[in-house]
Amino acid sequence: DAKTTQPPSMDCAEGRAANLPCNHSTISGNEYVYWYRQIHSQGPQYIIHGLKNNETNEMASLIITEDRKSSTLILPHATLRDTAVYYCIVRVLTSGTYKYIFGTGTRLKVLA
Amino acid sequence: GAVVSQHPSRVICKSGTSVKIECRSLDFQATTMFWYRQFPKKSLMLMATSNEGSKATYEQGVEKDKFLINHASLTLSTLTVTSAHPEDSSFYICSAIFTGTQSYEQYFGPGTRLTVT
Repeated sequence: DAKTTQPPSMDCAEGRAANLPCNHSTISGNEYVYWYRQIHSQGPQYIIHGLKNNETNEMASLIITEDRKSSTLILPHATLRDTAVYYCIVRVLTSGTYKYIFGTGTRLKVLA
Repeated sequence: GAVVSQHPSRVICKSGTSVKIECRSLDFQATTMFWYRQFPKKSLMLMATSNEGSKATYEQGVEKDKFLINHASLTLSTLTVTSAHPEDSSFYICSAIFTGTQSYEQYFGPGTRLTVT
């Protein structure tokens, strides 16, 4: 079962910041949080990941709460091309193998 | 980022035939690859974990005799859908783990759309 919960959908105005929340209250101390997005009929695209500290790259920022029970993906200036389903994933160690179990994701629609 | 390819991108086959889908890591070696299945407007469902040189580990409810996985090299894993039926029609996506960093990022292929008639 997925260890994450996300709102099913969100809208964001073009040019504004998109803040996508994710709850992962059962996360363990050494489990990473990953964010991917999937544009229709394509493979998921890696965005960012983190463990404890906030992270930033050319695509987005990841804010992880101090207790690590939730995180927020921030797209600083959303464009129409950012319309996609965004998945927050916690990597799980099972029987000696890491697995990435997808939850239902958030369908982000960027509006012109 | 690391690149993963899949072939074919689309395939249509007749009921009862078998279809092989290839997943390749193009610029890195992947000891672990994953196979997912996705139905329309649904999330990705993990089918199996493929480890180079050993048998795949299947998720509960996935028939290993139906979905044959082979990971013969560090850059290639194959999924064969045997005796395909219309209910096997789906979007199949593979991914490979990049172990160049400590966080083991997963990179996905573009997916293969299988239609069984």
